[in-house]
Amino acid sequence: QKEVEQDPGPLSVPEGAIVSLNCTYSNSAFQYFMWYRQYSRKGPELLMYTYSSGNKEDGRFTAQVDKSSKYISLFIRDSQPSDSATYLCAGSFNNAGNMLTFGGGTRLMVKP
Amino acid sequence: DAGVTQSPTHLIKTRGQQVTLRCSPKSGHDTVSWYQQALGQGPQFIFQYYEEEERQRGNFPDRFSGHQFPNYSSELNVNALLLGDSALYLCASSLGWGPSGGYTFGSGTRLTVV
Repeated sequence: QKEVEQDPGPLSVPEGAIVSLNCTYSNSAFQYFMWYRQYSRKGPELLMYTYSSGNKEDGRFTAQVDKSSKYISLFIRDSQPSDSATYLCAGSFNNAGNMLTFGGGTRLMVKP
Repeated sequence: DAGVTQSPTHLIKTRGQQVTLRCSPKSGHDTVSWYQQALGQGPQFIFQYYEEEERQRGNFPDRFSGHQFPNYSSELNVNALLLGDSALYLCASSLGWGPSGGYTFGSGTRLTVV
C-alpha cells in the first residue's frame, strides 16, 4: 500500500464547476500536508500548505485535512480552463528536514 | 528573481552509462532536494542536501549520489543506468533545515535511457 493515495482521474468538469480532489494517507506521523499543481512538462507548484487538521482557504482554493480519517481534500471554486493540470497531494513529518511523500496525482480537465 | 534552474532539460543515455544532472537553487535558498518522477506517477524523494551534506535519503540505491557546492548548487549523479531510471528528475530548493512545504521546484530534467 502506498503511503499517499489519489484517484488518477482524469476528472473532467465544465468551467465554473466546484472541483473536489481527494487523498488518503496511511502514515499517522504526517503533520504537514500540501497540494501542488503540475502543468505538463513543468515542475510542481505549491498551492496550499497546512499543518495538522483543519481548513485553509486561499482565493478559489480550500484545503481540508482530517487526521482522524487520514483524509486530505482540495476544493476549487469557479474552476477555469487554466486550472487544467495534475494535482499532487503530499505529506511530511514534523522533524528536521522536509522530505515530502507524494500521491500519484489526479489529472483535472476543465472544459470551456 | 530566477527560480530553480536545472540543466540539461532533456538527455538520452544508453544503459550502463553514467549521467550528471545539475541544479541551481532559487536565490536565497540553501537546501536542495532531488525527486524522481516516473511517467504518470508522483515524485519520489531521492535525497536532500544542506550545508554540503546529504541529510536525508529516500529508498534509492547507491547508484544515485549527489553533491552540494558552497554556492548551494547541486548535482545528481546516476551510475550504471537502467531502463527503469528513465524519468523526470526534479530539483527543489528551500530555505533552512526544518519541516516546511515551501519547496520551489525546477522544471526538471527528462532522462531517457535506451
